[in-house]
Amino acid sequence: EAGVAQSPRYKIIEKRQSVAFWCNPISGHATLYWYQQILGQGPKLLIQFQNNGVVDDSQLPKDRFSAERLKGVDSTLKIQPAKLEDSAVYLCASSLDYTYEQYFGPGTRLTVT
Amino acid sequence: AQKVTQAQTEISVVEKEDVTLDCVYETRDTTYYLFWYKQPPSGELVFLIRRNSFDEQNEISGRYSWNFQKSTSSFNFTITASQVVDSAVYFCALSGGSARQLTFGSGTQLTVLP
Repeated sequence: EAGVAQSPRYKIIEKRQSVAFWCNPISGHATLYWYQQILGQGPKLLIQFQNNGVVDDSQLPKDRFSAERLKGVDSTLKIQPAKLEDSAVYLCASSLDYTYEQYFGPGTRLTVT
Repeated sequence: AQKVTQAQTEISVVEKEDVTLDCVYETRDTTYYLFWYKQPPSGELVFLIRRNSFDEQNEISGRYSWNFQKSTSSFNFTITASQVVDSAVYFCALSGGSARQLTFGSGTQLTVLP
């Protein structure tokens, strides 16, 4: 069974530029999550989707971050404009349902200069 | 609010030693789930175990074992006869609330020396 796919794996941009990340969850997984992991810290939930609806986006900086999950499958996370403090690894995860364990993708390492 | 504390930032052991990683959690939910994840140098988080709040039975899987004690709000993880390949950051996490948001601890960096 294929795991969670993410692209790109690495991205370097200048501050104030925009960037987008893509995630394809495990087939059949209804719940999709985006996390931000700053070096030396545990992942922090940014947004959680159940099918194509948002369940929790309380920690998403909505003035610059946006996310969507089209047709309840793939998802994109966008940052516009980026700030230096957005440098982190962005992890996508999926689960059968929100009561089950989450499976993580390889992440996208973002560097903002 | 949920909170997970992993007080051990870094642990270093010599191969074949046993090592225990501590995890203490806080939650007001009566139903919740606890998890352990491994993050090797490659960066991908690997699921190790899921335990619900009603099941306090300890679990053993090969060299790995988990001790869940509700009375002390702890969910500790022991690796027996550690190996170099066990070197990684280990995260404890708690899932609770109506939407089961996952809250991670800050992680413990385990280094197993040959």
